[in-house]
Amino acid sequence: QKEVEQDPGPLSVPEGAIVSLNCTYSNSAFQYFMWYRQYSRKGPELLMYTYSSGNKEDGRFTAQVDKSSKYISLFIRDSQPSDSATYLCAPRPTDSWGKLQFGAGTQVVVTP
Amino acid sequence: EAGVTQFPSHSVIEKGQTVTLRCDPISGHDNLYWYRRVMGKEIKFLLHFVKESKQDESGMPNNRFLAERTGGTYSTLKVQPAELEDSGVYFCASSRNGIDEYFGPGTRLTVT
Repeated sequence: QKEVEQDPGPLSVPEGAIVSLNCTYSNSAFQYFMWYRQYSRKGPELLMYTYSSGNKEDGRFTAQVDKSSKYISLFIRDSQPSDSATYLCAPRPTDSWGKLQFGAGTQVVVTP
Repeated sequence: EAGVTQFPSHSVIEKGQTVTLRCDPISGHDNLYWYRRVMGKEIKFLLHFVKESKQDESGMPNNRFLAERTGGTYSTLKVQPAELEDSGVYFCASSRNGIDEYFGPGTRLTVT
């Protein structure tokens, strides 16, 4: 079983819709939950991260973590064609610096 | 502030040859990481430097891979001799605080 499970998609939505992305994980030691966006042939770009459980909002992006169910979510409001990319969840424990555990990434396509 | 840079962007070598990848982290970032993504797989951690010291090299696949960070600035990752299964995209990332990591564009390595 993989430590981080993420549906690879693709997920296609019309412009203006809410994009809902999620990951599940198995390692209870994960405390930081990162979300990266990756455009084709580019490196991952850090979008936001949360610590432990709870919500965090940054502009059109909202990250949620439910540690009781080991479930991570990212919501993108008012999606734009420029949001078309692959979104990767990457949790990490606090007892091991580095070692981001990446999910497979979900490809998102926002159609005009 | 300049981002993480990697060189070369793409390298094609024959099996058995040697290749050296270079990473220049963001200025002032003591933490430097190497990751790799092989075809169809998730991005996987290789190792982590804190300044010039190897903090964690548990992800290095075998002794054909050698990473160095002399002087605590740029880092190199040498593969010698290269095998077909080493093909993939090698990412470097850096962090000031060991939590949020900023990735470079990656080096695409093709071993033929």
